[in-house]
Amino acid sequence: DVKVTQSSRYLVKRTGEKVFLECVQDMDHENMFWYRQDPGLGLRLIYFSYDVKMKEKGDIPEGYSVSREKKERFSLILESASTNQTSMYLCASSLSGRGSKFFGPGTRLTVL
Amino acid sequence: GQQLNQSPQSMFIQEGEDVSMNCTSSSIFNTWLWYKQEPGEGPVLLIALYKAGELTSNGRLTAQFGITRKDSFLNISASIPSDVGIYFCAGQLGHYGGSQGNLIFGKGTKLSVKP
Repeated sequence: DVKVTQSSRYLVKRTGEKVFLECVQDMDHENMFWYRQDPGLGLRLIYFSYDVKMKEKGDIPEGYSVSREKKERFSLILESASTNQTSMYLCASSLSGRGSKFFGPGTRLTVL
Repeated sequence: GQQLNQSPQSMFIQEGEDVSMNCTSSSIFNTWLWYKQEPGEGPVLLIALYKAGELTSNGRLTAQFGITRKDSFLNISASIPSDVGIYFCAGQLGHYGGSQGNLIFGKGTKLSVKP
């Protein structure tokens, strides 16, 4: 079974802090994605990566950056956390040529 | 941009009943996926469809990729309390190529099952 893990299930941070969310997948998938999920807005794509050191902006990249130094790991960085970044963050991975995305359990981030 | 219309928004049914939900789009998709999400968890992939007309089952779940490639439906037969959750459809425009692998998600169907 594909396994996508995220470093924290729950995280509480203060405004202005730098926040790192880590995601690891164990199935050698080329593609990795970061989404945020908010009530009424559904899943929105922040960034994705289709190869090591490659990244592309999704629909809502502002206030975020990403890092992919190894194929299995994709990090989301909030350079200076703000209250409007309070959300559920979901990481996903997939093989190239197949759309099936496998999601991690999510990180519920609260920014105070 | 592309949008998926998923309906119904919510369903409240009796245990044992069958459930049907669908997604439609103005765009043509090459892949349709159905996910289930339980509270506080990430979405779990239920069924993946890659060909127009394809009908695929996973236990009590059956999903079909519409012939026009603009729609898909999910049926759940003989519902049970653990079917409770939010079901999402997702369509993908790109078929091959990782950078085109983004999914367009429906807003979800919230299913409640009364024992």
